[in-house]
Amino acid sequence: GIQVEQSPPDLILQEGANSTLRCNFSDSVNNLQWFHQNPWGQLINLFYIPSGTKQNGRLSATTVATERYSLLYISSSQTTDSGVYFCAAAFSGGYNKLIFGAGTRLAVHP
Amino acid sequence: DGGITQSPKYLFRKEGQNVTLSCEQNLNHDAMYWYRQDPGQGLRLIYYSQIVNDFQKGDIAEGYSVSREKKESFPLTVTSAQKNPTAFYLCASSIGLDTQYFGPGTRLTVL
Repeated sequence: GIQVEQSPPDLILQEGANSTLRCNFSDSVNNLQWFHQNPWGQLINLFYIPSGTKQNGRLSATTVATERYSLLYISSSQTTDSGVYFCAAAFSGGYNKLIFGAGTRLAVHP
Repeated sequence: DGGITQSPKYLFRKEGQNVTLSCEQNLNHDAMYWYRQDPGQGLRLIYYSQIVNDFQKGDIAEGYSVSREKKESFPLTVTSAQKNPTAFYLCASSIGLDTQYFGPGTRLTVL
């Protein structure tokens, strides 16, 4: 079946470290988004990136659609980066119905 | 300010009651969505609507109902048929296949 898999499930960093989060998806996508869920549950949009590369400050993302994966890079991590990062994909032929991965739980310590 | 609002923020339901969660957007988006999140998990799609007066079931529609009478509003009713309704409910909207934007969510607890 259609699947979105994220790795690693948990990540602990010291402030200032860099990290890479991975998202594998099982089929062609119309939409791929990265979100950060804060401690209050709000889902914050990071990137809409069904293909290509984008950057926003310390964050960047790359999706290689032909190889069915996406990467989220966090550089010079800060304690405020802590939380859960979700990748979600909408598959071709499935309108914009997002399928979410299980998330990567990130803890950044001072 | 443009955005998506959900109310109430917290909701408590007794066994056997129906409850309705509100979702309103002023982004002029055509499409709206309802997702459910259980602790430690990702979101799952309940219902979605591409246009006014039309909606489709998502992956976990049993025990839920929706209506889309206005472009800006997409209320979700959690019926007594939903066996395990305690969860975090998030509403989203988009222009077609573009970015989905999410509201702040409603936490529903069954007493």
